[in-house]
Amino acid sequence: EVQLLESGGGLVQPGGSLRLSCAASAFTFSTYAMNWVRQAPGKGLEWVSSISGSGGSTYYAASVKGRFTISRDKSKNKLYLQMNSLRAEDTAVYFCAKVVDGSGSYYMDYWGQGTLVTVSS
Amino acid sequence: QSVLTQPPSVSAAPGQKVTISCSGSSSNIGNNYVSWYQHLPGTAPKLLIYENNKRPSGIPDRFSGSKSGTSATLGITGLQTGDEADYYCGTWDSSLSAGVFGGGTKLTVL
Repeated sequence: EVQLLESGGGLVQPGGSLRLSCAASAFTFSTYAMNWVRQAPGKGLEWVSSISGSGGSTYYAASVKGRFTISRDKSKNKLYLQMNSLRAEDTAVYFCAKVVDGSGSYYMDYWGQGTLVTVSS
Repeated sequence: QSVLTQPPSVSAAPGQKVTISCSGSSSNIGNNYVSWYQHLPGTAPKLLIYENNKRPSGIPDRFSGSKSGTSATLGITGLQTGDEADYYCGTWDSSLSAGVFGGGTKLTVL
């Protein structure tokens, strides 16, 4: 069964950095795009970033562009999100999700349980 | 302000039917497939509907999806108390080159 396990969340001061990881198993990791999606306290789901299966294409929400970097390591079956210049409004549970895309289709068929990032002094 | 617009809440009695709307534009729903997700607090979101109206294995046929133009609808029949959750529509926005979600709809089964 497909499993996605996030790690790396925690408490960080404003302006600080954090790197999230997502360990994937039970599917051909390099074949699928992957997403990071977050949910701030009391808010809805927000798409954060996407990376293609090859890692050659990356996309970012305007709210994180220039501060966050998505990457993947196919040898380790891992997805990453490097978060720099963190702000209080980045406080959220961060989910990684496996993406099925192509020919107008774009959906997330498997999700991790999430990791909490708290940005506070 | 979400790119896709959903009602904040809907409610209905057990056994009844409810629909949740999702409105977008030509750059997202109008030219791409829509998916729907169920989210209970503290858990992983679950895919309910993909490509407008298809159900993944294990999702009961009480859940259905449709799309017309730049709007989509999720339907749930035979409501159960276990259906109480937040529901989100999602798709890709070709102009933004970004994934987009609706703001979410909280379903209450009275």
